[in-house]
Amino acid sequence: GESVGLHLPTLSVQEGDNSIINCAYSNSASDYFIWYKQESGKGPQFIIDIRSNMDKRQGQRVTVLLNKTVKHLSLQIAATQPGDSAVYFCAEGMNSGYSTLTFGKGTMLLVSP
Amino acid sequence: DAGVIQSPRHEVTEMGQEVTLRCKPISGHDYLFWYRQTMMRGLELLIYFNNNVPIDDSGMPEDRFSAKMPNASFSTLKIQPSEPRDSAVYFCASTTSGRGSYEQYFGPGTRLTVT
Repeated sequence: GESVGLHLPTLSVQEGDNSIINCAYSNSASDYFIWYKQESGKGPQFIIDIRSNMDKRQGQRVTVLLNKTVKHLSLQIAATQPGDSAVYFCAEGMNSGYSTLTFGKGTMLLVSP
Repeated sequence: DAGVIQSPRHEVTEMGQEVTLRCKPISGHDYLFWYRQTMMRGLELLIYFNNNVPIDDSGMPEDRFSAKMPNASFSTLKIQPSEPRDSAVYFCASTTSGRGSYEQYFGPGTRLTVT
């Protein structure tokens, strides 16, 4: 896929395992965060978001954790499936008024059956 | 809803030629973004519009790149003249400020190859 980088971090898991993808963000003033999933040949798709007044948010099979102290974000995927194989990006932005999103470099998740 | 529509999906052109990429945002969205994605640099914001007005074009690489949004349902990104280093996947995304969320909806992208 077009989004694969030469040095893209890769996480390989077995089907059914839980996956944890990590992201370090850069701007301590950021107060809004999103995780996107990008499958090969497609545009990024929204997974889940979280605001800085929260440290955890859950969706369907996914959980996002935010640690503002160390500027760290993680995405947990429960019972990973082959269809979860993709590149995952975190993005940061500011909630005060509208601002653009700054995207991380991405992590490739490979799920083996 | 058809989502964000981009055309063409693939474009192959020779160095020096003009390239025009097209985007139709989701109806009702008041923000439109153009991104470029490459292996080396990842996903980069080129320019974004609010209510058809360009707000920030600081990501546009150089004067060879230009973008317009003549109405709420159409935007173009033009490269003239194109160079091999412009080869990338170009994404258009849109969103609305009224939802309380900053989620951007991406199109399928245009893969540009300049030979």
